[in-house]
Amino acid sequence: QVQLVESGGGVVQPERSLRLSCAASGFTFSRYGMHWVRQAPGKGLEWVALIWYDGSNKYYADSVKGRFTISRDNSKNTLFLQMNSLRAEDTAVYYCATDKVPAPPGGCFDNWGQGTLVTVSS
Amino acid sequence: DIQMTQSPSSLSASVGDRVTITCRASQSISSYLNWYQQKPGKAPELLIYGASRLESGDPSRFSGSGSGTEFTLTISNLQPEDFATYYCQQSYSTSHTFGGGTKVEIK
Repeated sequence: QVQLVESGGGVVQPERSLRLSCAASGFTFSRYGMHWVRQAPGKGLEWVALIWYDGSNKYYADSVKGRFTISRDNSKNTLFLQMNSLRAEDTAVYYCATDKVPAPPGGCFDNWGQGTLVTVSS
Repeated sequence: DIQMTQSPSSLSASVGDRVTITCRASQSISSYLNWYQQKPGKAPELLIYGASRLESGDPSRFSGSGSGTEFTLTISNLQPEDFATYYCQQSYSTSHTFGGGTKVEIK
């Protein structure tokens, strides 16, 4: 079965960086687009970023554009999110999620990890 | 960017009730509308995709309808395990916007 395991969260000071990872198993990782979605404490869901199956296309929410970078290593079945210039408003649980359809991604998230908490605080 | 507005933001219902949640898009999104269920402390789960297609393994008491700008999630015969927060999400544009959520609570 599909398994997604996020790691790399923690407490970080404003303006510092953090790199999240998402280890995938149970499906052909290299065939599917992958997303990051976040949820601030007590708030709703916010889509963050998408990367195509082969890494050829990347898309970002306006709130993170220019600060966050999504990437993937298909040889290691791993998704990444490099987060730079972190702000207090980036505090959230970050989920990785698979796109439901093979390329091109359809924008529907059918498998989710358990999430990793990022807290930006001085 | 496409804005998604859900109503109500919360509701109270009893086991066995029929519940309807509405989601409106700020522009037409055809049928590119998905619904998710989230229970406290858990990741969201896909319920409905393409406005009306039930995700495999989900109970048939969940149904979705609509197209264009107005969509509905209906839960017929509400069960104890259905008390959760529900989110709509558009997949028409790459902003992948979510609605604000509807919390379904026990009356």
